[in-house]
Order: sequence, then structure tokens, then C-alpha cells
Amino acid sequence: DTGVSQDPRHKITKRGQNVTFRCDPISEHNRLYWYRQTLGQGPEFLTYFQNEAQLEKSRLLSDRFSAERPKGSFSTLEIQRTEQGDSAMYLCASSLWGAKFSTEAFFGQGTRLTVV
Amino acid sequence: AQSVTQPDIHITVSEGASLELRCNYSYGATPYLFWYVQSPGQGLQLLLKYFSGDTLVQGIKGFEAEFKRSQSSFNLRKPSVHWSDAAEYFCAVAGTALIFGKGTTLSVSS
Repeated sequence: DTGVSQDPRHKITKRGQNVTFRCDPISEHNRLYWYRQTLGQGPEFLTYFQNEAQLEKSRLLSDRFSAERPKGSFSTLEIQRTEQGDSAMYLCASSLWGAKFSTEAFFGQGTRLTVV
Repeated sequence: AQSVTQPDIHITVSEGASLELRCNYSYGATPYLFWYVQSPGQGLQLLLKYFSGDTLVQGIKGFEAEFKRSQSSFNLRKPSVHWSDAAEYFCAVAGTALIFGKGTTLSVSS
């Protein structure tokens, strides 16, 4: 397994367009997380899935954002009607979580979104 | 609410000198704590983690961190810094998801 992969690595879009990002987690990991990181800031939590269930969404995740993990494997993050303020690095991470144990989160390289 | 504070935005250390990066957390229960490093254009790499047990944790690249419950701290240390250690360092606490501090930028001078 090569780790968490994200696609695309870079995306430039015009304001008002929709964009979709994909994340492929480490195969045996049941938790998948999305974060957003802007310049000079730490990653900010957006949402996470356990298997296919979306269990928590941050208040940062406005109505224009939607995430799915349809079969409990890969996940997509869609941003509708993009705004310049959406420009950021979008990070995906995965972990293996159980009732009595948890691994650390492994991060992908991120998708850098630029809205012009 | 869970939170992480990294008081130092930017630190410059001479190559070969020792390093300590500060991290304070707020968490109701016994925390799971992490330090990650991010180099320009790279993803986040785990340096070390504290789940329980020994409060002095060893990590990769010669880093260590000490968990001090009384001070709500988890400071990162390295005895001798190398130029390749220049990067952004993030402390994080685990709730349902990781909550990160804003990071400390480390510069290494020769």
C-alpha cells in the first residue's frame, strides 16, 4: 500500500464553478478525514467518516460543501459555486479505529485549490 | 472544547543547537497527543505520538517529546538540530478527529 492518495494535486478553477476532489485512504483503514489548510495555519477539521457513515461535520463545512464515502473506501469532497475564500490546501487522512485501539492518522499530499 | 496552542509562531535555531517547541493542550480526558512535521510542498509526517504510559516519547529523526499533565503540555525537543529540520511543526490532540495547533515555523541558521 502506498499510503493515502489524493487527486488532483492541484486545481485552478473560476469563481462559481464546482470542483470535486478524490481521496483514496489506506485500504484497511475504516476512518477517513477531510481537513482544510490555509497559508500559515494548521489543518482545520472539516468532516470524517467511519466506513460509509459521515459521523461529524465541522461548522466550517458550509452548505456548498458535500462529502461522500459511498462504499466505505474512497471519498469525494465537492465544493459547489466556489468562492475565492475556498482557496486552500484540502487534506485527506485515514486511520484504523477500534473500540480499544486507534492508529494515528496518515495524511495524503493534499489538493491545492486556487479559485480565480 | 478541545484545543491546542503553539505559542511560538517562528523560531530560529543555529545548526547543532538544541531545540524545544512548545505545545499546550486543552482536553477533558487523558489526551492522545501528536507532533507532525510539514516540509514545503510535502504532506504531514508523524514525528511521534503519546497514547499512554511513559511520558517521554521517542520519535523519528531524533525527536522526543514529554507529556506533562500538570502543565497540559507536550513539548517537542531535539538535542542537535540539522539544517534539514527546517519545516513547519504541528502539535495535535485527538478527539473524534485531530485538532491541530497553528504551527511553529522552524528556521535553521548555519
